[in-house]
Formats: sequence, structure tokens, C-alpha cells
Amino acid sequence: KAGVTQTPRYLIKTRGQQVTLSCSPISGHRSVSWYQQTPGQGLQFLFEYFSETQRNKGNFPGRFSGRQFSNSRSEMNVSTLELGDSALYLCASSFGLGLKNIQYFGAGTRLSVL
Amino acid sequence: GDSVTQMEGPVTLSEEAFLTINCTYTATGYPSLFWYVQYPGEGLQLLLKATKADDKGSNKGFEATYRKETTSFHLEKGSVQVSDSAVYFCALSDLESGANSKLTFGKGITLSVRP
Repeated sequence: KAGVTQTPRYLIKTRGQQVTLSCSPISGHRSVSWYQQTPGQGLQFLFEYFSETQRNKGNFPGRFSGRQFSNSRSEMNVSTLELGDSALYLCASSFGLGLKNIQYFGAGTRLSVL
Repeated sequence: GDSVTQMEGPVTLSEEAFLTINCTYTATGYPSLFWYVQYPGEGLQLLLKATKADDKGSNKGFEATYRKETTSFHLEKGSVQVSDSAVYFCALSDLESGANSKLTFGKGITLSVRP
């Protein structure tokens, strides 16, 4: 069974640009969550989607957005990139919502903003 | 709000040494607790979890007990191996705070095991 797939693995952008990251969950999983990992702030929750609906959102500016498609694949978008957006972005999928559903993480997309 | 505090790192041990990584938490409700591990270049993997007080999670020789009275979930292993070298994250998920699957993570600690 394939794991969580994130593409691309590495990305270099310049300030002011926008970027779209993709996440394909494990087959059959309907919940996708996104996290940002930086050396200074650690792992921070961005948002969670279930059945194409955003169920929860972290404390990030509106430049960060996401969506989920009917096949459960998810994308996140960051507009007007800032240097501080440089981070490892991790996607996690689970079968459903709630504590009984283990989250499986992808290897991440490393975004560098120059 | 919810928070997780891990001991400062990094930690360097010799093979077969005993490992303890401290983790304490603050939560508004009754959280579930987790330890995740991240190997170089990879995503996070669930190592173990506990969902109620006095539960002991265990996996691959690692153990952690949910202590509600001390709000702690310390990770232990009796004899570490070189292959245990990784970054370890303590995390919680708290349904009563309104979250669904949201995980709140500690800062993580890097473990290096010398042969």
C-alpha cells in the first residue's frame, strides 16, 4: 500500500511569488492535515480537510489556503511568499477524524524562499 | 491553549545505554498523547500512543506512560541502538478543545547513538 505522497519534494521560490504544494493520501483515507515545520517554531498545524471540507484551521495568515478534491487529494497554496515561509511542509492522512484515526505523514515538501 | 514541552537537546548516548526523554503537557480537556519519530529525510512516524490516564504505550522497545497527575508522558527505552538515532516529538490531540485530528507538537529532540 503506497504511503502519503507529497510533491514536489523541493521547491525554490522568490519573495512575492505564490506556490502550490500537493498531497496524495493513502488510498481510502479521507482526512488530510497540513503542518509547517521550521527550526524556530517547530511543527505547527495549518489546516485539516475531510470530505472536501475544511474542518479545522491553525493560526496562519490568509495567504495560506488549501483545498481537498473528491479523490481526497489535497493542495495547499501560499500566496505572496515571504522569507519566513521557508519551511518543511508536511501532509498527514488518516482514515477518518478523531483520536482513533492514526495520522500517517508524508516525507514533506521543503520550500525555500529567496 | 494546548502546549507540549520537551526537554532540551540534543542527546548523545552510547549503544545499549538507557534513554529517557521528558515530555510534559498543558491541555484544556483530556488529551490523547503521542510520540512520533522522524528519521533523516523522512516524514514523521507514529512510535506509540496513549489515550487515557495510566495507559502505557509501547513499540520497538520504547515505552511511555500517561501520567495525568504530573501531566507527563516521558519516553523510555532500556537499551538504545544506533538505528534509534532520529528526532523524537511528543504530541497531544485534544478533542475537547474543538479540534478533530489536530496534533500539538513539542519542539522535538535529536537523539544520536554512538556505536
